[in-house]
Amino acid sequence: DGGITQSPKYLFRKEGQNVTLSCEQNLNHDAMYWYRQDPGQGLRLIYYSQIVNDFQKGDIAEGYSVSREKKESFPLTVTSAQKNPTAFYLCASTSRGEGGYTFGSGTRLTVV
Amino acid sequence: RKEVEQDPGPFNVPEGATVAFNCTYSNSASQSFFWYRQDCRKEPKLLMSVYSSGNEDGRFTAQLNRASQYISLLIRDSKLSDSATYLCVVKRGYGGSQGNLIFGKGTKLSVKP
Repeated sequence: DGGITQSPKYLFRKEGQNVTLSCEQNLNHDAMYWYRQDPGQGLRLIYYSQIVNDFQKGDIAEGYSVSREKKESFPLTVTSAQKNPTAFYLCASTSRGEGGYTFGSGTRLTVV
Repeated sequence: RKEVEQDPGPFNVPEGATVAFNCTYSNSASQSFFWYRQDCRKEPKLLMSVYSSGNEDGRFTAQLNRASQYISLLIRDSKLSDSATYLCVVKRGYGGSQGNLIFGKGTKLSVKP
């Protein structure tokens, strides 16, 4: 079945550590996105990529980094510069320019 | 002003009730409009796209008023399984991150027996 796989489902990070969240899709979608959701808040765009080897900052990119070396993969690194990383992280993809997004099941990141 | 604003709710309704969600957007160049549903601690899932002429999918009816920059979702004969948060979503028309989806904070619906 085609879909988006995010891993891990739950992640715990110590203060000062970098962590990488995985996102893989087999939908042959061109565009991929990372959103963050905080309790009672809407989804906020972190980074997005319309094609391989290219990506753009979203509304809240500070403290995050991404890469897009393969069409299927769009990993997100939460760096130690992100001051409040505890949140629900959602990866999404879409055929270029068309329709709504398909989301992965998300990663819950907690700083301990 | 937020790009996408929704009535935060929560809406608590009995089974069988009709419930309406409203949403306004600030960017007049917005291109596409959607309603997503999000269950507790789960990812959002596309419920339906919203077309200018209005569209219906079973018990769900979506309306768009471009002049007023207003979107609505009507749920008729609500079921217990409709309990979720409903997200109003707009595709950004211009400016940074053009073409990307912008999400409202959502309206929580609880349908009671």
